[in-house]
Amino acid sequence: ETGVTQTPRHLVMGMTNKKSLKCEQHLGHNAMYWYKQSAKKPLELMFVYNFKEQTENNSVPSRFSPECPNSSHLFLHLHTLQPEDSALYLCASSQEVMGRNQPQHFGDGTRLSIL
Amino acid sequence: GDSVTQMEGPVTLSEEAFLTINCTYTATGYPSLFWYVQYPGEGLQLLLKATKADDKGSNKGFEATYRKETTSFHLEKGSVQVSDSAVYFCALSDGGGSTLGRLYFGRGTQLTVWP
Repeated sequence: ETGVTQTPRHLVMGMTNKKSLKCEQHLGHNAMYWYKQSAKKPLELMFVYNFKEQTENNSVPSRFSPECPNSSHLFLHLHTLQPEDSALYLCASSQEVMGRNQPQHFGDGTRLSIL
Repeated sequence: GDSVTQMEGPVTLSEEAFLTINCTYTATGYPSLFWYVQYPGEGLQLLLKATKADDKGSNKGFEATYRKETTSFHLEKGSVQVSDSAVYFCALSDGGGSTLGRLYFGRGTQLTVWP
């Protein structure tokens, strides 16, 4: 139990579908992150939220739309995805964004497959 | 910019063998250094960390020493077990300015331990 819960664990969707990934952290952290983990590629940071405000969008295509209604919840809304978007999507949280000593705590991820 | 380079895998060892996974970094400031581990089907878990030069992080028999002179943070374990089979990621965070606490990850090293 890492304190960061992601749902669903697995998702299969067509390219025209709309779905959402959910992340919830029970650690009292103020910063939350979305990462993409693809086979044979480095971990890619997608979005950073600090106190519900987006502080970084790492050139992510608009078909990925994040939402952070409060410091404990983070969503990733998906629309019109491409086959190359199939990957493991990881959510993480940390006490504060600016803290260099702050480790990030990860959820177990959502394995996304685009048909 | 900041970056992390870790040894290419996969690494295959017999149980009770000695493990070293090399990690070197490039950073403009004074980063904190981390090792994360990812077991099959799970997200990343913090294994150990070091926040300043000459610090030694340790956990579960794993150790890594922050060497500023060689910009390295090599992971070691004296006697590996089958349960250590996982992917290991080296990461750094300098937490300053525009990077907003960004973690820079290496590409990961797959470790397989045989009984």
